[in-house]
Amino acid sequence: QKEVEQNSGPLSVPEGAIASLNCTYSDRGSQSFFWYRQYSGKSPELIMFIYSNGDKEDGRFTAQLNKASQYVSLLIRDSQPSDSATYLCAELTGGYQKVTFGTGTKLQVIP
Amino acid sequence: NAGVTQTPKFQVLKTGQSMTLQCAQDMNHNSMYWYRQDPGMGLRLIYYSASEGTTDKGEVPNGYNVSRLNKREFSLRLESAAPSQTSVYFCASITNTNIQYFGAGTRLSVL
Repeated sequence: QKEVEQNSGPLSVPEGAIASLNCTYSDRGSQSFFWYRQYSGKSPELIMFIYSNGDKEDGRFTAQLNKASQYVSLLIRDSQPSDSATYLCAELTGGYQKVTFGTGTKLQVIP
Repeated sequence: NAGVTQTPKFQVLKTGQSMTLQCAQDMNHNSMYWYRQDPGMGLRLIYYSASEGTTDKGEVPNGYNVSRLNKREFSLRLESAAPSQTSVYFCASITNTNIQYFGAGTRLSVL
């Protein structure tokens, strides 16, 4: 069983809508969480990093962390076709910066 | 360009052959990582290294060995390649503020 779980999708949303991506984790000791975007054939690129309960906003992106329920989410407002990619959730655990990833959710934004 | 450099970019091996994937970073990061990515599987951690001279197993270490030669370099060795090791391999390093940087990837096929 993966430590970080994501729905593989694809998640399809119309252009301009809000895309909601979710991730659950099993280790209550996990300290921090990341959302990465990965275009086909490319390396992952960091979008958001969150370690406190609540919301963190950066432009059109909002990350939400709920440690009691052990889930992390990413909201993308005003979705654009260029947002079509796979979104990877990752957790950082332990004192040695161990970072493990979920399986990713494929997002398709329909023009 | 500064960052994480992986070599080679592409490789084809026959079953049973050995090879070493090279990774170097010029950002003075302490921690480095090797991941593999298969379709629908996200990124799976093979090994990571918190500092020069230390390495730890990740989720899928079997069939691989690693060497943290110095602070800059972290190599991944396949002693006897198997078709199940056909994958895209990513090396990464991480800053003290937990921002992870990835190399461009190595696409490995084992026939």
